Amino acid sequence: GAVVSQHPSWVICKSGTSVKIECRSLDFQATTMFWYRQFPKQSLMLMATSNEGSKATYEQGVEKDKFLINHASLTLSTLTVTSAHPEDSSFYICSAAPAGGVGEQFFGPGTRLTVL
Amino acid sequence: GIQVEQSPPDLILQEGANSTLRCNFSDSVNNLQWFHQNPWGQLINLFYIPSGTKQNGRLSATTVATERYSLLYISSSQTTDSGVYFCAPDTNAGKSTFGDGTTLTVKP
Repeated sequence: GAVVSQHPSWVICKSGTSVKIECRSLDFQATTMFWYRQFPKQSLMLMATSNEGSKATYEQGVEKDKFLINHASLTLSTLTVTSAHPEDSSFYICSAAPAGGVGEQFFGPGTRLTVL
Repeated sequence: GIQVEQSPPDLILQEGANSTLRCNFSDSVNNLQWFHQNPWGQLINLFYIPSGTKQNGRLSATTVATERYSLLYISSSQTTDSGVYFCAPDTNAGKSTFGDGTTLTVKP
């Protein structure tokens, strides 16, 4: 149980294009999902907290117009990197906390984004 | 915000050896999780342990919330244990702060 998927697992795009990443909880409902970013050999940095049916809460320094988050249902959250540039290249990971749970998070496998 | 320190940053073991990884945090926590990140980047849940001790096979964890630290014990290490181990406490419901991790290398 508690499986989270992400799609795509990797993507290469040209500078200036937008990329959408999907995060799905497969066997549970998640009121809250989280988006993290990880640079090589570094820790995970929380970008935003996504709550179903409401606007995402972004961490300080994260551009909300750059990283659009939509949490349309209890099993799906999407992150859109708009007008991507090479400095947006990174490993993006989502996590989900089961509704009614104790706050334990379960992570997706991550999406590796490379912007040329 | 909460500060999280993990030690050691790097650890090299011979297969079969035991190890202890430490996580210190600067504030009271609602919960704490330990994860193993494998070479492909997947984070695997090891323990959800806001306090007390838990065991799962060769791994066990102890959190002493009043003293603001948690320990992860790995016994009889195997090469498949290699990877990065993160602790992630949170003070607000569901918002975790990750430490810098301990990179474990187990040699055959």
